[in-house]
Amino acid sequence: DAKTTQPPSMDCAEGRAANLPCNHSTISGNEYVYWYRQIHSQGPQYIIHGLKNNETNEMASLIITEDRKSSTLILPHATLRDTAVYYCIVRVASNYQLIWGAGTKLIIKP
Amino acid sequence: DVKVTQSSRYLVKRTGEKVFLECVQDMDHENMFWYRQDPGLGLRLIYFSYDVKMKEKGDIPEGYSVSREKKERFSLILESASTNQTSMYLCASGSTGAGSYEQYFGPGTRLTVT
Repeated sequence: DAKTTQPPSMDCAEGRAANLPCNHSTISGNEYVYWYRQIHSQGPQYIIHGLKNNETNEMASLIITEDRKSSTLILPHATLRDTAVYYCIVRVASNYQLIWGAGTKLIIKP
Repeated sequence: DVKVTQSSRYLVKRTGEKVFLECVQDMDHENMFWYRQDPGLGLRLIYFSYDVKMKEKGDIPEGYSVSREKKERFSLILESASTNQTSMYLCASGSTGAGSYEQYFGPGTRLTVT
């Protein structure tokens, strides 16, 4: 599976959109982009995933560039409860394993 | 909502004890996983199972074994606990659908071996 690069930490003001970037320049055509988050002292939580097209669900939006070498997770109206470590993972659909990096620690400030 | 439960949130065991960590999921998922999470090392896969009685080694299986006798239950066993197995243990489950594959995690068990 391709490797991902994320900034180690980010701040965002409460009520604003939080935009978390992820680089995956070696992604191949059959690899999906997944986002998870882990709130302190809890297990990771699935957020969203995509292959080529932009995706949106009740939690977030995922924007994937046309060349698929990078993506952005958008939390449209961040709240204090969104403070967490966010993981961007790239994997082949048939591969059971997720390779976890260090993620981005997102701090939402009042 | 998918629910993954783990038998304990906190556990303290002595060196040499046999330790059982239980995980149960209620979504009829084929796949189940055991990870450990340590500061600075992230989540590392210990074992996973893609079917009843089937198991595959992950990245760090040494010192651990697993059991999956029923689809909903996946157990992690530390045959003889050691202090370097002090960690947060996370169980996850997931299904294999075409083009889609999410893992759903339990709350974790923080194990301390003294």
